[in-house]
This record gives sequence, structure tokens and C-alpha cells, in this order.
Amino acid sequence: QSVLTQSPSMSAATGQKVTISCSGSSSNIGNNFVSWYQLVPRAAPKLLIYDNDKRASGITDRFSGSKSGTSATLGITGLQTGDEADYFCATWESSLSAVVFGGGTKLTVL
Amino acid sequence: QVQLQESGPGLMKPSETLSLTCTVSGDSISNYYWGWIRQPPGKGLEWIGYIYYTGDATYNPSLFGRVTMSVDTSKNQFSLKVASVTAADTAVYYCVRHLGVRYDNIWGTYRPSWSDPWGLGTLVTVSS
Repeated sequence: QSVLTQSPSMSAATGQKVTISCSGSSSNIGNNFVSWYQLVPRAAPKLLIYDNDKRASGITDRFSGSKSGTSATLGITGLQTGDEADYFCATWESSLSAVVFGGGTKLTVL
Repeated sequence: QVQLQESGPGLMKPSETLSLTCTVSGDSISNYYWGWIRQPPGKGLEWIGYIYYTGDATYNPSLFGRVTMSVDTSKNQFSLKVASVTAADTAVYYCVRHLGVRYDNIWGTYRPSWSDPWGLGTLVTVSS
């Protein structure tokens, strides 16, 4: 059971937009910064978003991040087949003094 | 461009001590925080801990004191040891650089805000 809650899977057609949510509490997302990662098989995981809404170097502006209260969202516009991956949110859990992750969302691009 | 490369045994037996090394290239290991994250097959990501180049470390309490990290600045490497492994420790292990580290005045800890870059990962299987 992950500290942060994400929908296990989502699907959308190419060219469409999706939003992946990440829900937490005041001891994690509510008082700390959120980052987002993309995992694809046989490749190093990639940082997409840091400090809630800042795009990592080299990341297309089709990816965006936001945070409100104890929830965060990753948005992807103009979906491409190459966006098919597992997406994880992460933040600091103050009560544990540990980095915690969401359970991950598997995105399928139809 | 910083690159990380994990190395270690692919197969281990229960009760052994897992030892992994991460070699950093493209930048000095000094002045940064470094960490380990793992992903069991078919499951999510779990943070193991971080270590500063000085050797100060913080570990995930869920690993119940089985974890030790170290740094070798002369080799630009940092390492992970996990004692008394079981099948539950079977996972892909990633080494990462932690950035955006801020001091938490309330809890008295340094909290990393993001991880970048990541190594390719190495699969460690624990089986008798």
C-alpha cells in the first residue's frame, strides 16, 4: 500500500490529453515538493517534473505539473505512442523522514 | 552530463548480504546527495535511502536497520549493503542523484526534492 495514491491505469488516444493524479496528505504532498517520473522498460527512469510544476531539462512542454493542497497532477497533451509508460509521483514524507512514491499509473496510448 | 551505473550480483541466496556499487561519471560525487531506489517485479518504487558525500546517511525506516550506505570519493562511487536478504528483496535497484535538498527545521532532516539522473538499474534476484 503506497503512501501516495494514483490510479493504476489510464488509456487515451493519440493526440488526446490526459491528467494523472496523485493524492496524499499534509505530512507529504501538503508540505513538500512533488516530482514526477516516467519509467519505460529497458531504459533509465526519467525525471519529468520537479518542485511541483517545473519541467526537467529537455522535457517537452507537452508535460506539465501542478499541485493543490494535498494533491498533485501530471498533464500530458498531444499524446504520442512514445508516451506509453508507467508514471510515478514522489515527495518527502515528513513523519517518516523518507521519500515516498505513488503506486504508479500505467498509461496506454491507443 | 552525469551518468550513473549500478554493478553487483544478479543472484543471491536468502540470508546473504547484498552489495551494490554505483559509479558516477561526468561530475564529481562531492557536494551532492546520492540515493538508492528499488522496484520489485510488478510493483511500485521504494526509496531505500540517501547518503551525502561526507558519509552522512538517512535510511528508510521500513527496511528495519538492514541497510548501510557508503561513499568512496577517490573512486567517485557510492555503495549499498542490505543485510539478511529474503525473496522480498528481489527487485531492480536504481542509484540516483538527489537534488533540491532542503533542511526540514521541524524534523531536523535534509529532504531531497527530486532524483535526477537515474541509473539504468540492476536486477537482483534472491532465491535458494
